[in-house]
Amino acid sequence: EAEVAQSPRYKITEKSQAVAFWCDPISGHATLYWYRQILGQGPELLVQFQDESVVDDSQLPKDRFSAERLKGVDSTLKIQPAELGDSAMYLCASSLGLFTEAFFGQGTRLTVV
Amino acid sequence: GNSVTQMEGPVTLSEEAFLTINCTYTATGYPSLFWYVQYPGEGLQLLLKATKADDKGSNKGFEATYRKETTSFHLEKGSVQVSDSAVYFCALSDSNYQLIWGAGTKLIIKP
Repeated sequence: EAEVAQSPRYKITEKSQAVAFWCDPISGHATLYWYRQILGQGPELLVQFQDESVVDDSQLPKDRFSAERLKGVDSTLKIQPAELGDSAMYLCASSLGLFTEAFFGQGTRLTVV
Repeated sequence: GNSVTQMEGPVTLSEEAFLTINCTYTATGYPSLFWYVQYPGEGLQLLLKATKADDKGSNKGFEATYRKETTSFHLEKGSVQVSDSAVYFCALSDSNYQLIWGAGTKLIIKP
């Protein structure tokens, strides 16, 4: 069964350092989402792509976060510089498009020390 | 804008009890509706879905019916097990490619 691949699974970084996460969606899925989830809370959308275009990044802290999906396939989310409050689970998901369910990767657990 | 409202948790039940987790939505048009489950330390998994009014989604003994007249998609299970302990999220997918999430309901099943 096709899966959304994310790496790394765990990342510990010092504050003020740069960190990057990678996501490979299910083949053929045009929509890709990056979410942040703090323990005990629901997922918060950071950025949504339709193919290579950003369709929603209203909640992305653009002074330190960036995301790209250059060829409309895999995607990278970067934080620079990382802050203590960025410690969370970062989830990537993909879907075929309109009205369809999203499939999630296992996530990257980020700890900023 | 579109929104999803779930009952607050935690919901604590004994094993073999009947489960209902309420979910209501506000949306224009005809969204698709989903229930996701998140077990401790894991990612989100699709539990069931319904794409049009009166559809019933079902999986692993869980069911939910898309009720357009009451704008609801309540999750039910006839006999819960300890292994069902998790956080359950209701969500909708709308015509703007948006995926709208409820706040999640934590379910605790005691043996």
